[in-house]
Amino acid sequence: GENVEQHPSTLSVQEGDSAVIKCTYSDSASNYFPWYKQELGKRPQLIIDIRSNVGEKKDQRIAVTLNKTAKHFSLHITETQPEDSAVYFCAATLDQKVTFGTGTKLQVIP
Amino acid sequence: NAGVTQTPKFRILKIGQSMTLQCTQDMNHNYMYWYRQDPGMGLKLIYYSVGAGITDKGEVPNGYNVSRSTTEDFPLRLELAAPSQTSVYFCASSYPGQGNTIYFGEGSWLTVV
Repeated sequence: GENVEQHPSTLSVQEGDSAVIKCTYSDSASNYFPWYKQELGKRPQLIIDIRSNVGEKKDQRIAVTLNKTAKHFSLHITETQPEDSAVYFCAATLDQKVTFGTGTKLQVIP
Repeated sequence: NAGVTQTPKFRILKIGQSMTLQCTQDMNHNYMYWYRQDPGMGLKLIYYSVGAGITDKGEVPNGYNVSRSTTEDFPLRLELAAPSQTSVYFCASSYPGQGNTIYFGEGSWLTVV
């Protein structure tokens, strides 16, 4: 089955700096890669996603890149703000099978 | 649209008791899932369903049962509750035509004492 590895497990950045979270996947057939943000005590919520036929996607301060050959994808957050502090999960999807990474706890220090 | 609705939000169970976590979605999604999330940890898939009448085991199915009699409802049954089942449970749904984006319910906090 699919295996998704996510790094780092924790990340601290100064407000205004950039944050990068990386994921690798094992099944080359996976074709959809969402990223979820989970604030403390809340449900995970989709923040951005990318399909296998696209290399990069941006939405304001967040962007995701996908390298199908290397089977890795990354989340980039620029100009971080304290409200970006949360746990971020990547996922790799094929049909109904969704495999999540283990999560990255991002702390933005004011 | 209410999205994915779970009940109860909080519950304390005694060891050996049984209970059902209810989940319903009004988005006409084919796929539904149950995940558990232990404190500070990631999401582990318990069971999933690709449509009414079809269910399958996920990564951690032991101690749980599910049924899917309708498209909307996907209850999770805990039999003989154990302290190891203390966790937050998330029901979720998705539709393959939307890239299989998963929509989560608000979660059910379960403590077994």
